Amino acid sequence: AQSVSQHNHHVILSEAASLELGCNYSYGGTVNLFWYVQYPGQHLQLLLKYFSGDPLVKGIKGFEAEFIKSKFSFNLRKPSVQWSDTAEYFCAVTGPSGGGADGLTFGKGTHLIIQP
Amino acid sequence: GAVVSQHPSWVICKSGTSVKIECRSLDFQATTMFWYRQFPKQSLMLMATSNEGSKATYEQGVEKDKFLINHASLTLSTLTVTSAHPEDSSFYICSAQQQSTDTQYFGPGTRLTVL
Repeated sequence: AQSVSQHNHHVILSEAASLELGCNYSYGGTVNLFWYVQYPGQHLQLLLKYFSGDPLVKGIKGFEAEFIKSKFSFNLRKPSVQWSDTAEYFCAVTGPSGGGADGLTFGKGTHLIIQP
Repeated sequence: GAVVSQHPSWVICKSGTSVKIECRSLDFQATTMFWYRQFPKQSLMLMATSNEGSKATYEQGVEKDKFLINHASLTLSTLTVTSAHPEDSSFYICSAQQQSTDTQYFGPGTRLTVL
C-alpha cells in the first residue's frame, strides 16, 4: 500500500524566511502528486500538482514543488513566506494505479506558523 | 470554479441514530467522489470511493453496512452513518473528482458528534 511521510509536523518561521517542506512517498510506480493547504477554519485547497513533464511545478501563491523520482520525493518550497501562509500543509499521492479516479493517500500534515 | 459543498457543516446526534451527510459538486459534474475521515490533529484517511450509478468501493477496515454511500447523480453523493456510536464522532470530508483536470476538490467537511 502507498504511504506518504512528511518530515516536519510543526514548523515555525519568521516572515520573509524561505520554506521547504519535505514529502516522501513509498510506491515506485506511476503516481500523481499533490500539495493541499488548509487555512484555519477553511477547507482543503489545492496548491499544486504533478502528473508528468517538468519535475518543477509552480502553484498558487508563490509555491513550487520539485518531483525527484530517484528520491521518491516531492518537496514544497517558497522563497519568502508571509504571515498569511500560516496553515496546515498536506502532501498527497494517488496510485499505484497511476491516476484516474483514485483516492488520495495523505501525509500527516505540517503545521506551519509564520511569525510576523 | 470547482466548488464542492457539504451539508450539514456540523451535526450532533444520539447514539443509535442515523445521520446523512450530503456532498455536492456545484459547478462541475463528478462521476467519482470520495469520502475521507479526519481525526483530531491527524491526516485524512480515505474511507470509500463513490461512483455514480454503481456501488461504492470501501477501503479495508471500513464497514460498508455502517457507512452507506449513495451517488445517485453526477453532482451529489451522500454518506449515511447508520446506528451511530460515540466512536464515529469525527470530521467527515468529501471530495469530487474533476475529470478534465484529474484533480480532487474538497468540501468544507462535516463535524459529527455522537452523544
